Amino acid sequence: SQTIHQWPATLVQPVGSPLSLECTVEGTSNPNLYWYRQAAGRGLQLLFYSVGIGQISSEVPQNLSASRPQDRQFILSSKKLLLSDSGFYLCAWRRDSKLKKGEAFFGQGTRLTVV
Amino acid sequence: TQLLEQSPQFLSIQEGENLTVYCNSSSVFSSLQWYRQEPGEGPVLLVTVVTGGEVKKLKRLTFQFGDARKDSSLHITAAQPGDTGLYLCAGGTAGNMLTFGGGTRLMVKP
Repeated sequence: SQTIHQWPATLVQPVGSPLSLECTVEGTSNPNLYWYRQAAGRGLQLLFYSVGIGQISSEVPQNLSASRPQDRQFILSSKKLLLSDSGFYLCAWRRDSKLKKGEAFFGQGTRLTVV
Repeated sequence: TQLLEQSPQFLSIQEGENLTVYCNSSSVFSSLQWYRQEPGEGPVLLVTVVTGGEVKKLKRLTFQFGDARKDSSLHITAAQPGDTGLYLCAGGTAGNMLTFGGGTRLMVKP
C-alpha cells in the first residue's frame, strides 16, 4: 500500500531563518507531487507541483521554493522566512494518470509558525 | 489560474436538518472531487465526478456535477454531528493540477 510521510508536524521559526519541509511517498513510482498551504479553516492554495524528478511548477510568486531530488521526495524550502509564511503546509501525491481524475492523498501536514 | 468558489463559507445547523454546499467556477474541469478535512489533518476524498450531470450518492451525501462541468453541489440529508468538518471541492485540469475551493466549514449541533 502507498503511504506519504511529511515532517515535522509542527515548527516554530524566527523571521529570517531558513526552512526545509520534507515529504516522501512509499509504495508507488513516478507520482505527481504537490505542496499546498492552508490558512486556518480555509481552502488549499497550490504552491508547487511536480510531475517528475527535477520538474517543478510554481503557481504563486512567493518566498518559497521546492525541489524534487528523488522520484518520491519533495522538499519545500525558504532561505529567509517571513511572518506571512505562517500556515498549515500539506504535501500530497496523485498517480500519474492521463485520466486526470486520480485521488489526492495527503500527508498529516506541518503547522508552521513564524515568530 | 482556474478558481473554484464555495458557498457558504460557514454553516451551523441542528442535527437532523438538510443542507447543500455549492462549488462554482467559470472554467470547465475534467473532473471534480469533494474532500472532507478534520482539524490538524489532511483532506480525505469523499467522491470524484467526471461526467456532466453525474449524480453520486454516498449514504446521506448526494453529489452532483453540473451539465457544463463548471459547478458541483453536495447535499447532506439529516445531518449528524459526525458530519462536522471542512468540506473542500477540487477541480482537476490538464497538466496534473488540482485546484481547491475555499472550503465550507460545517458544524452540526446535537
